[in-house]
Amino acid sequence: VQLEQSGAEVKKPGASVRVSCKASGYTFNNYGISWVRQAPGQGLEWMGWISAYNGNTKYAQKVQGRVTLTTDTSSSTAYMELRSLRSDDTAVYYCAREGLVHFDYWGQGTQVTVSS
Amino acid sequence: QSALTQPRSVSGSPGQSVTISCTGTSSDVGAYKYVSWYQQHPGKAPRLMIYDVNRRPSGAPDRFSGSKSGNTASLSISGLQAEDEADYYCCSYAGSYTWVFGGGTKLTVL
Repeated sequence: VQLEQSGAEVKKPGASVRVSCKASGYTFNNYGISWVRQAPGQGLEWMGWISAYNGNTKYAQKVQGRVTLTTDTSSSTAYMELRSLRSDDTAVYYCAREGLVHFDYWGQGTQVTVSS
Repeated sequence: QSALTQPRSVSGSPGQSVTISCTGTSSDVGAYKYVSWYQQHPGKAPRLMIYDVNRRPSGAPDRFSGSKSGNTASLSISGLQAEDEADYYCCSYAGSYTWVFGGGTKLTVL
């Protein structure tokens, strides 16, 4: 099982960012994907979950309205789009496979820096 | 959703045992048997060490064990080794496909 994430991004405040997470080594549709971020020197923060089976989503209240999770089952890829970026969105963003209510495989992380 | 409460740091000497606590509420830790623990070394992605309160995934050393009582879960590490020095995070399912993490605990092996 591997989750390969897209590369680092630098964005200006107010812009949007889209991070991809390409899955391999398992049947993509059989699992969910969660997105977790980690601000510099801080802990892990769960952002949201998407079912790769039917596209159902659930978002954390803190980012609700600014984040959209999607999947492309034809390429086994999950996407996280975050809009109206601000400086406190600077973080490493991880995708993680949700296997029966825990996160058993993680991507390598994508650094997103928001700076004017 | 408030973060679960973990001690900021714990420490132990090689060969000793340490326990890290994780306190939540009756809506998360207390409500479900779905507490997991993750180990994170600097600059690396988290690694699953315990799931469903006390189950170990393949590859996780049997020195790692988990338990839960009421709204508090615990991770115990016996026979401490230098490689165990890392940050540890608990995570609880909170219903309706939502999760909450703890603030993290830095384990120092003296």
